Amino acid sequence: EDQVTQSPEALRLQEGESSSLNCSYTVSGLRGLFWYRQDPGKGPEFLFTLYSAGEEKEKERLKATLTKKESFLHITAPKPEDSATYLCATNYGQNFVFGPGTRLSVLP
Amino acid sequence: GAVVSQHPSWVICKSGTSVKIECRSLDFQATTMFWYRQFPKQSLMLMATSNEGSKATYEQGVEKDKFLINHASLTLSTLTVTSAHPEDSSFYICSARVGGGNYEQYFGPGTRLTVT
Repeated sequence: EDQVTQSPEALRLQEGESSSLNCSYTVSGLRGLFWYRQDPGKGPEFLFTLYSAGEEKEKERLKATLTKKESFLHITAPKPEDSATYLCATNYGQNFVFGPGTRLSVLP
Repeated sequence: GAVVSQHPSWVICKSGTSVKIECRSLDFQATTMFWYRQFPKQSLMLMATSNEGSKATYEQGVEKDKFLINHASLTLSTLTVTSAHPEDSSFYICSARVGGGNYEQYFGPGTRLTVT
């Protein structure tokens, strides 16, 4: 069965304290690993797509990496405005399989 | 680019009435649109997939007669919740995909439905 898991479920960081979020997947025929940010009461905001193991993408304080079994979202020197739920998803057929998300809180 | 809008952003309706939610891709043509439902502190649950001009494909357990989906054009999909009940209260989010080998989905801001 295609599955996506994320860890940790919740993460509290002090401002400036770097960390990583994990997304593990068991999807055959992967055609993309996607990262989204979701703020409360809003739709997910697209961050990155990764297609092949070894690929990396960066945007401001965020860097996403991909291996054959998992993806990491590295957050460098986070700020309070980075607080959100981060969702990863893989696709099977036409559709997405979403992970449960990691709720990130960055304290000033 | 890749902006998706939803209307309304929130709606309150009485039990037994129907509510229509619109999803539009503003700056691209979407070959496929998706409708999700999200409960508090939970991830997104796919309800149905729709392709322009075709009948929607519903996920197992989603009542197609209750949640009517119309994908009339490459930029517009609508979700109608018929005979709404309080248990239909939820956050509904649509997404759109360009297609052609690009699997990225772009999400709308969501619609909060409250049924009283």
